[in-house]
Amino acid sequence: KQEVTQIPAALSVPEGENLVLNCSFTDSAIYNLQWFRQDPGKGLTSLLLIQSSQREQTSGRLNASLDKSSGRSTLYIAASQPGDSATYLCAARGFQKLVFGTGTRLLVSP
Amino acid sequence: GAGVSQSPSNKVTEKGKDVELRCDPISGHTALYWYRQSLGQGLEFLIYFQGNSAPDKSGLPSDRFSAERTGGSVSTLTIQRTQQEDSAVYLCASSLGGALKDTEAFFGQGTRLTVV
Repeated sequence: KQEVTQIPAALSVPEGENLVLNCSFTDSAIYNLQWFRQDPGKGLTSLLLIQSSQREQTSGRLNASLDKSSGRSTLYIAASQPGDSATYLCAARGFQKLVFGTGTRLLVSP
Repeated sequence: GAGVSQSPSNKVTEKGKDVELRCDPISGHTALYWYRQSLGQGLEFLIYFQGNSAPDKSGLPSDRFSAERTGGSVSTLTIQRTQQEDSAVYLCASSLGGALKDTEAFFGQGTRLTVV
């Protein structure tokens, strides 16, 4: 059974810092790994998708890496801004469903 | 449509009543997922559809929960005899699916269900 863990559970930083959010999964037989952002009271917004054959994906200030063999993915946020404050979720895609971590709650202070 | 649409966005119901939650996936997406997110909790998988079939119903919490999908498009999640512990945000997602299991999943804004 796939289990996904995210560390840290919460993170508070001043504006401008570079951040690393961690995601680990127990079953390396995944199709892809997807990072999402969730704002309070809202649905999930897809940020990045990394296919199982890829090592990393980049979108603007975001960079996500994937190491299937070690069961790890990281989301790197460069030059953080207050607007980045949200909960970040990673999800590992198995045969028939995405399995989610419990998220990292990020607060970026001006 | 442009994105995954869920209705209603909010639903307050009395304990013991039945509720229906609706999900309209992105046009052309054959895979559809329902998840539940309780206050302060992570996303709990409920059910997965490929077309109109539900090969994985393993996450449905009890026999009070059922879901169907018609025409390979709209899906309805029904909760019978609602209980207070059913209060949560119910999220729907869709992806291209089929052989394309590695494609991106897109989520709707969710239905916030409150059972009083």
